[in-house]
Amino acid sequence: DSGVTQTPKHLITATGQRVTLRCSPRSGDLSVYWYQQSLDQGLQFLIQYYNGEERAKGNILERFSAQQFPDLHSELNLSSLELGDSALYFCASSREGQYNSPLHFGNGTRLTVT
Amino acid sequence: AQTVTQSQPEMSVQEAETVTLSCTYDTSENNYYLFWYKQPPSRQMILVIRQEAYKQQNATENRFSVNFQKAAKSFSLKISDSQLGDTAMYFCAFRLFGNEKLTFGTGTRLTIIP
Repeated sequence: DSGVTQTPKHLITATGQRVTLRCSPRSGDLSVYWYQQSLDQGLQFLIQYYNGEERAKGNILERFSAQQFPDLHSELNLSSLELGDSALYFCASSREGQYNSPLHFGNGTRLTVT
Repeated sequence: AQTVTQSQPEMSVQEAETVTLSCTYDTSENNYYLFWYKQPPSRQMILVIRQEAYKQQNATENRFSVNFQKAAKSFSLKISDSQLGDTAMYFCAFRLFGNEKLTFGTGTRLTIIP
């Protein structure tokens, strides 16, 4: 158990809809990262938050947004969903300042857009 | 931008044998970290081993070891005495010093044959 909790585990929705994915980081971790893993692909970095503020942005679509709340949990919002958004979405967390510390991943949310 | 390349999409090996997974990366920076993550069918991302670029000694973790060739920008993973539980996708990942973003390769699907 990595200590990172993601909900829900599975999500099935229709094109054009909007969904919210939730992540609770490990206790004491201030940074949260979101990654997207499409079928048989590597993980693509979407966005990072540190202590409530956006720290780095990757290949995140404008239809997607995220935030980190005062209690450090994070939400990834995906809107105007398309079939190609179907993927596994991972959240990871780490402690600030320990650049060699590994990212600890949650078990992911499997999003299926029909 | 940094890139990570895993040239072996799939590999299989008999149980108890040794297998080596390849990874190359491209960067103009000198200080960075390298990781191998394992993703079993449960889809969880599990850290296998990590290497600091400033360390010449290759990292080892029980049956897992790396061959880090900094000049060649190569970071291969060797699994000794392979076990059925080693069956998984293996991802090589790169992280710059001072940057918490991980860049992943596309993965190698490893199957251990009984």
